[in-house]
Amino acid sequence: IAGITQAPTSQILAAGRRMTLRCTQDMRHNAMYWYRQDLGLGLRLIHYSNTAGTTGKGEVPDGYSVSRANTDDFPLTLASAVPSQTSVYFCASSDSRQGGTEAFFGQGTRLTVV
Amino acid sequence: RKEVEQDPGPFNVPEGATVAFNCTYSNSASQSFFWYRQDCRKEPKLLMSVYSSGNEDGRFTAQLNRASQYISLLIRDSKLSDSATYLCVVTFSSGSARQLTFGSGTQLTVLP
Repeated sequence: IAGITQAPTSQILAAGRRMTLRCTQDMRHNAMYWYRQDLGLGLRLIHYSNTAGTTGKGEVPDGYSVSRANTDDFPLTLASAVPSQTSVYFCASSDSRQGGTEAFFGQGTRLTVV
Repeated sequence: RKEVEQDPGPFNVPEGATVAFNCTYSNSASQSFFWYRQDCRKEPKLLMSVYSSGNEDGRFTAQLNRASQYISLLIRDSKLSDSATYLCVVTFSSGSARQLTFGSGTQLTVLP
């Protein structure tokens, strides 16, 4: 693994189904984020984690949950998918302890809920 | 009001043109500022950080005005390869957490 990796890269999901989007980084970054990107709305923060064992809600957390059992992994779960959750999801990480350092993004997961 | 607002765009400019993007942010406690570039159907990638003194990287110049809560990006001598969406990013600390907030992006198309 080099950097930050998401899986799957794309998925078509039936409404009502449960799904977990995976995100793994090998940079030992303390902070991780999940965003969704929709046309005209830009990137909106769903959930974040500043360190292993802690998580926080972003701008659009409803319908999503996250966990941060260790430094490397930050899965995003849709408990019961709805069509409005059709979007492109990006996971990101940064070393926020170093102040203004950049965030690195995964390649994205394109999710379609039908 | 959105926390980070950008020019709506799209900007369509000829090769060689100079183009400027603007971004305003609402949280006066914001700490770090960046411009990211996103190509179609790809993940965002850091273009440059923005410092109070202003900074330049080749054809790109970024400036920050904390008093006006305003960030800008200037691209000189535009190239076809500059076509992308440019995202303004602002970070601030909320308790012990650090959050990155993105603008909605400005689309640039450089025309031959």
